[in-house]
Amino acid sequence: DTEVTQTPKHLVMGMTNKKSLKCEQHMGHRAMYWYKQKAKKPPELMFVYSYEKLSINESVPSRFSPECPNSSLLNLHLHALQPEDSALYLCASSQAITQGKGIMNTEAFFGQGTRLTVV
Amino acid sequence: DAKTTQPNSMESNEEEPVHLPCNHSTISGTDYIHWYRQLPSQGPEYVIHGLTSNVNNRMASLAIAEDRKSSTLILHRATLRDAAVYYCILIGIYNQGGKLIFGQGTELSVKP
Repeated sequence: DTEVTQTPKHLVMGMTNKKSLKCEQHMGHRAMYWYKQKAKKPPELMFVYSYEKLSINESVPSRFSPECPNSSLLNLHLHALQPEDSALYLCASSQAITQGKGIMNTEAFFGQGTRLTVV
Repeated sequence: DAKTTQPNSMESNEEEPVHLPCNHSTISGTDYIHWYRQLPSQGPEYVIHGLTSNVNNRMASLAIAEDRKSSTLILHRATLRDAAVYYCILIGIYNQGGKLIFGQGTELSVKP
């Protein structure tokens, strides 16, 4: 199974709502990622989890809160979003292999994304 | 993070080879060169990666310059399904968490 599953596929939420995006993989990957992608732009890295610990936060506003409850699941909790946060949110995973003092990440597998609209 | 430069767009005819260039003059010795592509309305998908030697797989070939300051993704026979945005990305093994940072990419269109 080389699939990364994201739910829901589409989400419309108001600015006062709280919602969560979910991502699941069963490839045994220990690195998981959240990206945000606006139309006609490349994906922008938001967060990286490595071995279930948050290793990178690309200065993302606190209204986005990631969570990695176990090695297969990644959540993105959303609260008090703005209309400009409307975008495609992509999850990805990759194997993390220790090489000396570094970590070699193998090919990343991406989900199909959640299309989020904030009204 | 080392930067990559790609042409914004390229055109190809169906059934012909396509050479997608990428410049990465500030690459370090421990940076791997990865290529991903994103088809319309889909998440990105891995294409190929390499360090120093040329690489082949079922999707494409990767030709890496001897000085590693540039590389070329080769699609041997373009099909209409290869129309996508192609991203060249450098990933260092000492990058904490292995940052996968996308640049602007090259939008490839394939004409029948």
